Amino acid sequence: ELKVEQNPLFLSMQEGKNYTIYCNYSTTSDRLYWYRQDPGKSLESLFVLLSNGAVKQEGRLMASLDTKARLSTLHITAAVHDLSATYFCAVDTSGGSNYKLTFGKGTLLTVNP
Amino acid sequence: DADVTQTPRNRITKTGKRIMLECSQTKGHDRMYWYRQDPGLGLRLIYYSFDVKDINKGEISDGYSVSRQAQAKFSLSLESAIPNQTALYFCATSDGTVNSPLHFGNGTRLTVT
Repeated sequence: ELKVEQNPLFLSMQEGKNYTIYCNYSTTSDRLYWYRQDPGKSLESLFVLLSNGAVKQEGRLMASLDTKARLSTLHITAAVHDLSATYFCAVDTSGGSNYKLTFGKGTLLTVNP
Repeated sequence: DADVTQTPRNRITKTGKRIMLECSQTKGHDRMYWYRQDPGLGLRLIYYSFDVKDINKGEISDGYSVSRQAQAKFSLSLESAIPNQTALYFCATSDGTVNSPLHFGNGTRLTVT
């Protein structure tokens, strides 16, 4: 059974600081997805990582994937208040087009002024 | 208009009642999913369907059933609602290409009293 673990689950940081959210998973996969959820809202896709060593960046967020370590990271650079949200990683192990995602529990990020 | 529409947005029902949550999509995707979100637990997969004739149980299908009425419609039913089914329910769709993430609806907040 695939397990997806995120840490930390809660993160409070100051504006301007850097931090990293970690996503570990238990079964071989080269497909990992990051989502953002604002309070009371739906999930919004941030990044799709499909190979070992994949790195994607958007604004102050950068995601990477190490399939050998079964680890993905979401790095936040110079945080701003607008980044406050819950971040989820999700993993697919199907290997095909009929994929289904297993989600981590999410990391609630609060950026304080 | 939203590409993935869930109705109702909010619902309060009593223990033992039958309730149906509906999902319709205009994206033309074959693959549809129902997830449940509970605080601190992330999203868990209830049922998924890769086409109209293909329905599969997810990790937490007990107490739920689904119907895929057409490519665009995927309904989730609670045959006899119980309080621990109180949660936020999300429908999602996929076109099956791995570099395309799941697209989520706006969610249905269900409360069972």
